[in-house]
Amino acid sequence: SQKIEQNSEALNIQEGKTATLTCNYTNYSPAYLQWYRQDPGRGPVFLLLIRENEKEKRKERLKVTFDTTLKQSLFHITASQPADSATYLCALVAGGSYIPTFGRGTSLIVHP
Amino acid sequence: DAGVIQSPRHEVTEMGQEVTLRCKPISGHNSLFWYRQTMMRGLELLIYFNNNVPIDDSGMPEDRFSAKMPNASFSTLKIQPSEPRDSAVYFCASVPLTGGQGTGELFFGEGSRLTVL
Repeated sequence: SQKIEQNSEALNIQEGKTATLTCNYTNYSPAYLQWYRQDPGRGPVFLLLIRENEKEKRKERLKVTFDTTLKQSLFHITASQPADSATYLCALVAGGSYIPTFGRGTSLIVHP
Repeated sequence: DAGVIQSPRHEVTEMGQEVTLRCKPISGHNSLFWYRQTMMRGLELLIYFNNNVPIDDSGMPEDRFSAKMPNASFSTLKIQPSEPRDSAVYFCASVPLTGGQGTGELFFGEGSRLTVL
């Protein structure tokens, strides 16, 4: 069956360090992958999209990689700040569709 | 634009009661989604509409759930009768269809937190 896996344990890091979050998937052929941020009590907010033929995408302090061989995406936040503390969700969109299927998300806590 | 607007933000009801959740998508967006979020199962797609027409309701858990989109600016999700296991946060999201795919970026509302006692 199709599965999207994100680390359920919270990631605790120190301010200024690089945070790296992982999204693994099985039995999918995604056309593209999205990353969203969700703050407590709020709806998810779109951050970045990366297509299957792209290896890496950057936006300010964010970097996303996509390895279709490993079936994995890595999401990096460089020079992390306490304001980056949130839950980060990855979502896969299959070819021919535009409907994202979401992972359960990983909580990031950046300590000052 | 005000974004996707959902109401109510919080609803506490008793088992057996009817619950109606409401959503106003972003103007010009022609796809609308209803998701449910729980700790155990994360974000699950319940149903989505294109141009007010329900396309896929396979995620609707059972007949107690129904959704409508009478026009481009309004949708409802109804649970009748409600049960404690329906307790969750229900999100509405909209997206503009651009040539069939575009980026698929979903614009979410702030959610309706439902508690069924």
